[in-house]
This record gives sequence, structure tokens and C-alpha cells, in this order.
Amino acid sequence: AQKITQTQPGMFVQEKEAVTLDCTYDTSDQSYGLFWYKQPSSGEMIFLIYQGSYDEQNATEGRYSLNFQKARKSANLVISASQLGDSAMYFCAMRERSNYQLIWGAGTKLIIKP
Amino acid sequence: DGGITQSPKYLFRKEGQNVTLSCEQNLNHDAMYWYRQDPGQGLRLIYYSQIVNDFQKGDIAEGYSVSREKKESFPLTVTSAQKNPTAFYLCASSINPGTGWFEQYFGPGTRLTVT
Repeated sequence: AQKITQTQPGMFVQEKEAVTLDCTYDTSDQSYGLFWYKQPSSGEMIFLIYQGSYDEQNATEGRYSLNFQKARKSANLVISASQLGDSAMYFCAMRERSNYQLIWGAGTKLIIKP
Repeated sequence: DGGITQSPKYLFRKEGQNVTLSCEQNLNHDAMYWYRQDPGQGLRLIYYSQIVNDFQKGDIAEGYSVSREKKESFPLTVTSAQKNPTAFYLCASSINPGTGWFEQYFGPGTRLTVT
């Protein structure tokens, strides 16, 4: 069965430091996609970055990068040079090719300290 | 600007009443989704629709109903049969997932409180 695990319920990070948010997944499918979303206190979900299971390079989008380790089934989000505006909930999600549903982790609450 | 609108942002209802949450998108997306979010949890899929006049149940469809009469609109009705309807409801849309790996775009959400 598909499953997403985010083991860090909350994190405090000093402004300007890099931060890594953990995500491990479980699937028996060979073709799948991994997504990270940010949810500020306002509530809406904001798409950050995507990684396909067959992508050889780790995905990057501005200050966001995805540390994809297929053998370990992990897809950690790295935020470089954190900013106060990065304070939010962060969710990892996965979709298998054969299934249109996104499966979501429980999220990590990130707080950036000035 | 293209996007997804959900209304209202906050909704209060008495137990035993049905309530309909609105979701409209002008992104020309084929697929639309309804999620429920409870405190400390990730999103759970209620219903999704890949095309007009067609929709499928998600993991927690009991006590909910939807319609998809227009491409732009995907309203969700929370019925009195839903045992614990108080939650944050998020609507999303995407390009048809059968054609590739496309992210879902989300609306601002509706916070429903039933007392």
C-alpha cells in the first residue's frame, strides 16, 4: 500500500540557515511522482517542487531542491538560505502512475527564527 | 488571473443540515478534487472528477456528494449523514492526470464548523 511518512512534526531553524525536511515513501510501483507543498497559516496549499521516479537529476526550483534517494525511498526537501516567510506547514505527497490519487504525509511545521 | 475560488471561507451550520461548498476554477483544467484536512493530519481525498459528468469516490466519500455539470465547477455537499463534518475543506484542480505528472492547484479552502 502507498504510504508517506514525515517524521518531523515540527522544526525550528535560524533565519538564513539551510533546512532539510524529511519524507520517506512506500510503494511497489516503479513509476511514481513525488510532490512537496507549502501551507501557510492562511490555509491554501502552494506547490513547490516535483520529482519523477525515473528522473536522474534531483529537482530544483529556486531555493528549493529535492534530495531524491530512490534506493532508500526518501525524497527530502531542502530549503537553502531560509527566510521568515518560509514559516509554514510542509507536506510531502506521492502519486503512482496507475492511480490518480495523491497520498499525503502528515506534514512538518517549520518555524524560522529571526 | 487564473485560479480556484472557494466560497465561503468560513461556514457555520447546525447538526442535521446539509451544506454545499462551492469550488470554481478558470484554469481550464479537466480534473478537480475535494480534500478534507483535520488538525495535525495530511489531506484525505473525498471525491475527484477527471471529466464533466463523471466523478469517483476517494478514501472518505461517505456522507458527501458531488456533481460535475460544468468543467469549471465542482460543488461538494456535506450531508447530515457525515458523522464528523467539522473540518477544513480544500478544492484542487489539475491537467488530466492520465496524460502526465501534473501538480494540483488549490483554492483557499473553506473552514466548516457544525454544532
